[in-house]
Amino acid sequence: GQQLNQSPQSMFIQEGEDVSMNCTSSSIFNTWLWYKQDPGEGPVLLIALYKAGELTSNGRLTAQFGITRKDSFLNISASIPSDVGIYFCAGQLTTSAGGTSYGKLTFGQGTILTVHP
Amino acid sequence: KAGVTQTPRYLIKTRGQQVTLSCSPISGHRSVSWYQQTPGQGLQFLFEYFSETQRNKGNFPGRFSGRQFSNSRSEMNVSTLELGDSALYLCASSVTNYGYTFGSGTRLTVV
Repeated sequence: GQQLNQSPQSMFIQEGEDVSMNCTSSSIFNTWLWYKQDPGEGPVLLIALYKAGELTSNGRLTAQFGITRKDSFLNISASIPSDVGIYFCAGQLTTSAGGTSYGKLTFGQGTILTVHP
Repeated sequence: KAGVTQTPRYLIKTRGQQVTLSCSPISGHRSVSWYQQTPGQGLQFLFEYFSETQRNKGNFPGRFSGRQFSNSRSEMNVSTLELGDSALYLCASSVTNYGYTFGSGTRLTVV
């Protein structure tokens, strides 16, 4: 099935460093989501983006919805040990029926982040 | 507010058997989606239900099926299990347009 191209696949950084990861797609999406998954748990939503060009922050996290609607990036500033985990981007193409939007999520392959103290 | 609850957390089944997984969404969430996560294929969409109707379906064989009840709880069933069905099965629920909240998943091992 369709997948998003997420890069890098893994990152090894020192505590305090900034991190950047991105996702690209051959298809457009009208929603981009960023999730973090810890071992043995389900993905947890970090940031949701709903408009092309939108830049949204959540604490040390900043994400942007690309102008072309085919890409998004996530930045983490001043990384700390608890940032360790797998980060996933997901694109959603919602459609409307009777005022209710819905759609399936298409996920990237994930970025494994390791933070050394 | 309770999160998305999936039961059981772990399951071991034998090839050829069938299995039913359960998902209770966040109260008030009417959309429930299911995903399969494997190391090789990543997170793959199975299907989505809203008000007891399947609205979207991924590219999985007919052995994978699901349903949603009037209280929004959902179940997915896999018949004639194969070794390749071993995976983490994740359920997610949503209120319109606000992203999906995932449960902790059910780890299915087929032996």
